[in-house]
Amino acid sequence: AQSVTQLGSHVSVSEGALVLLRCNYSSSVPPYLFWYVQYPNQGLQLLLKYTSAATLVKGINGFEAEFKKSETSFHLTKPSAHMSDAAEYFCAVTEGGTASKLTFGTGTRLQVTL
Amino acid sequence: DAGVTQSPTHLIKTRGQQVTLRCSPKSGHDTVSWYQQALGQGPQFIFQYYEEEERQRGNFPDRFSGHQFPNYSSELNVNALLLGDSALYLCASSFPLVDTQYFGPGTRLTVL
Repeated sequence: AQSVTQLGSHVSVSEGALVLLRCNYSSSVPPYLFWYVQYPNQGLQLLLKYTSAATLVKGINGFEAEFKKSETSFHLTKPSAHMSDAAEYFCAVTEGGTASKLTFGTGTRLQVTL
Repeated sequence: DAGVTQSPTHLIKTRGQQVTLRCSPKSGHDTVSWYQQALGQGPQFIFQYYEEEERQRGNFPDRFSGHQFPNYSSELNVNALLLGDSALYLCASSFPLVDTQYFGPGTRLTVL
C-alpha cells in the first residue's frame, strides 16, 4: 500500500530564507508524486508533480522538488521564502498513473516571519 | 475556462440527516474524485467516478455514496450523518488517463 510521511507539522522560516519541506513515500511500484498547497479556507492547488521523467521537478511560485529513489524522498524546496508562501503544504502519492487515488500526508504548515 | 466548482460552499446539518454535495469538473475532464479533509488532516480518498461508474473506493462506509451524470458532474451523498462527518469535502477532476487531479474549493460540512 502506498503512504506518505511528512516530517514536521509546522515549519517556520524568515522571509528570504531557504524553505525545505520534507516528504518520504512508500510505494510498491514506481510512484507518481505531487506537492499541493492549501491557503486558508481554500481547496488544493497543484505546485508540481513527478511522473518518472526528470528527477528534479520545477513548479510554480519558485518551488522545486527532487525525487530520490534511494532515499524514497521527494522534498520540496524554495531558495527564498516570501510572506505569501505561508500556507499548508501536502505531499501526495499515487501508484496507478491514470488518475488513480491520491494518498496524502498529514501536511506541513509553513510560517514565514519578517 | 472555469475550474472545478463545488456547491454549496458551507452546509450545516444535524446528526441523522442526509446531505448531497455537488461538483462540476473542469472543461474536458471526465474523471471525478471525492476526498474528505478533517480539520488538521490531509485529504482522505472517498471514491472516484469515471464513465458514470464508481471505479475506486477508499475506506469509507456505505453511508457515503455518489453518482456521476452524463455531463461528468458528480454528487456525493452522505446518509445518517455523524458528528465525525464534519469536514471539508473536496472534489477533484482529471483528463482521461492522465494522472494530475485538479481540486475545487471544497464544501465545508458541519454536523451538529
